Amino acid sequence: ELKVEQNPLFLSMQEGKNYTIYCNYSTTSDRLYWYRQDPGKSLESLFVLLSNGAVKQEGRLMASLDTKARLSTLHITAAVHDLSATYFCAVALSGDDKIIFGKGTRLHILP
Amino acid sequence: EAGVAQSPRYKIIEKRQSVAFWCNPISGHATLYWYQQILGQGPKLLIQFQNNGVVDDSQLPKDRFSAERLKGVDSTLKIQPAKLEDSAVYLCASSKDRQQETQYFGPGTRLLVL
Repeated sequence: ELKVEQNPLFLSMQEGKNYTIYCNYSTTSDRLYWYRQDPGKSLESLFVLLSNGAVKQEGRLMASLDTKARLSTLHITAAVHDLSATYFCAVALSGDDKIIFGKGTRLHILP
Repeated sequence: EAGVAQSPRYKIIEKRQSVAFWCNPISGHATLYWYQQILGQGPKLLIQFQNNGVVDDSQLPKDRFSAERLKGVDSTLKIQPAKLEDSAVYLCASSKDRQQETQYFGPGTRLLVL
C-alpha cells in the first residue's frame, strides 16, 4: 500500500529565510505532484516531477525528486508572506492511476 | 480557457438525505477525478474516469456513493443516503490524459451533513 508522508506538518518561518518541505513515499512511483492550497480555496498545481533527478523551479519555489530514496523536496528561498498556504505532495503508483496525497504542510510566513 | 466548473458550491443536508454534485471539466480533458477532502486532511481520490470509463474506484464507498460520466464530458457524483462523516469538500479535477499531465482542480463543493 502506498503511503505518503510529509514533514513538517506545520511550519512557521520569518520572511527572508530558506526552508525545505519533505515528502517521503513508501513504494515505487513514476509521478510526483506538488500543489498549493490557500484557505477555503481549491488546489493549484505547482510542479509535476516525472523522473529521477528531476528539478523544477518557479519563482522562490524549487522541487526535486529522488526516486531511489523515494523522496521529494520543496525548497523555499527567501520566503515572502504571499507564500503562506498549505502545500501538498501527491504520488502516483508506478503503472497505476491511483494518486495518494500527503497530509499537507501548513506554512505560515511571518512578515 | 475556462477552468473546471462545479456546482453547487455549498450544500447543507440532513443525514439520510441524498445529494448530487456536478462537474464540467476543461474542454478536451479525457481524465476526470473526484476527490473528497475532509477538513485538515489531504484530498482522497474517490473515482477516476478516462473518457466515460472508470479507471479506479477502489476508494469509493459503493454502498452509498455513485458517479457517472456520460458521453465522456460532464460528471455527477451522488451520495445516497448521506452520513455525518460525509461532511467534506468534494473536489473535481481534470487532466488531458492519465499519465504525466497536471491535474486542474475545480473550486469544490462544500457539503455539510447535519
